[in-house]
Amino acid sequence: QVQLVESGGGVVQPGRSLRLSCAASGFIFSDYAMHWVRQAPGKGLEWVTVISHDGKNKNYGDSVKGRFTISRDNPKNTLFLQMNSLTTEDTALYYCTRGTAVRWFDYWGQGVLVTVSS
Amino acid sequence: QSVLTQPPSASGTPGQRVTIFCSGSSSNIGTDYAYWYQQLPGTAPKLLIFRNDQRPSGVSDRFSGSKSGTSASLAISGLRVEDEGDYYCATRNNNLNTWVFGGGTKLTVL
Repeated sequence: QVQLVESGGGVVQPGRSLRLSCAASGFIFSDYAMHWVRQAPGKGLEWVTVISHDGKNKNYGDSVKGRFTISRDNPKNTLFLQMNSLTTEDTALYYCTRGTAVRWFDYWGQGVLVTVSS
Repeated sequence: QSVLTQPPSASGTPGQRVTIFCSGSSSNIGTDYAYWYQQLPGTAPKLLIFRNDQRPSGVSDRFSGSKSGTSASLAISGLRVEDEGDYYCATRNNNLNTWVFGGGTKLTVL
């Protein structure tokens, strides 16, 4: 069965960096685009970024553009999110989720919490 | 403030039918599909409706979606207590390969 398991979260000071990972299993990882979606405490869902199946195309939400970088390692079935210049506004539960042209966000991980605080 | 507008709350009694609306614009829902996600308390979101009105296998036929112009709606019939949670609409921005979610609607089953 499809599994997405995020890791790498934690507490970090404003201005610092953090790298999230998402280990995928149960499907052919290299066939799918992958996204990160976040949810601030008590708030709604916010789309963050997407990477194409081959890693060649990437897009970002305005709130993270220039600070976050999405990447993937297809042989290792792993998705990454490099987060730089973190602010308190980046505090959220970060989900990795799979997408196809027809079914956007059809499977989700359990999420990993990132807390930006001094 | 999301570019997709949803009512913050909705409610109904068991057995009733409830409809949640999602309002967008010509640059998002008006030109692309609407999707719906269910997030039960303490869990990750789950795909409920794709491409306006399609249900993934395993999703109850009590859930149905539709789209008209720049708005979409999710109807839940035969309301159950276990349907309580948050419901989000989503779409893509004008073929720009960026996505947006609605602000979410908290459904209460009284």
